[in-house]
Amino acid sequence: GIQVEQSPPDLILQEGANSTLRCNFSDSVNNLQWFHQNPWGQLINLFYIPSGTKQNGRLSATTVATERYSLLYISSSQTTDSGVYFCAANYGGSQGNLIFGKGTKLSVKP
Amino acid sequence: DAGVIQSPRHEVTEMGQEVTLRCKPISGHDYLFWYRQTMMRGLELLIYFNNNVPIDDSGMPEDRFSAKMPNASFSTLKIQPSEPRDSAVYFCASSVTPEAFFGQGTRLTVV
Repeated sequence: GIQVEQSPPDLILQEGANSTLRCNFSDSVNNLQWFHQNPWGQLINLFYIPSGTKQNGRLSATTVATERYSLLYISSSQTTDSGVYFCAANYGGSQGNLIFGKGTKLSVKP
Repeated sequence: DAGVIQSPRHEVTEMGQEVTLRCKPISGHDYLFWYRQTMMRGLELLIYFNNNVPIDDSGMPEDRFSAKMPNASFSTLKIQPSEPRDSAVYFCASSVTPEAFFGQGTRLTVV
């Protein structure tokens, strides 16, 4: 079946460090999104990025659709970046099922 | 826009009781999704609607679960009777483009 795989599963950083999170997907995507689930459980949209590169402040993302992966970069990490980062993909021509990866749990230590 | 609004935020109920979760999508969005998040299974789609019509309910776990969307601004997810294994966080999401936006979720505990 369709797979969305994220790595690493867990990541511990010191405040100020940079990190790269990876998402591999098994087929051509119609939609690729990155979310941050904060410690209160909210799912916050970070990027809608089926292809190309986007930046928002200290965060940026790149999706290479032909090679079926996406990367999320976090620079100068802060304790408020802690939480779980999810990649989710939708396949085919519809806006149906967003399939989520298992997430990367990030802990930023002061 | 206030975003996707879910209620209640927390629900504790006894096994066997009926539970109704509510969702107000973002105005103008024509897709609405119900997801469930558990430690074991992660985030999984239960059902989604397009223009108030259910399109895919293959993720609904059993007949105890039902969902309705009587109009473009309101949807419900009902569990009757509830069981302890239904304990989870239930998210509603909506979209008009492929990009989906999620509500804050309802944390359901069935004791």
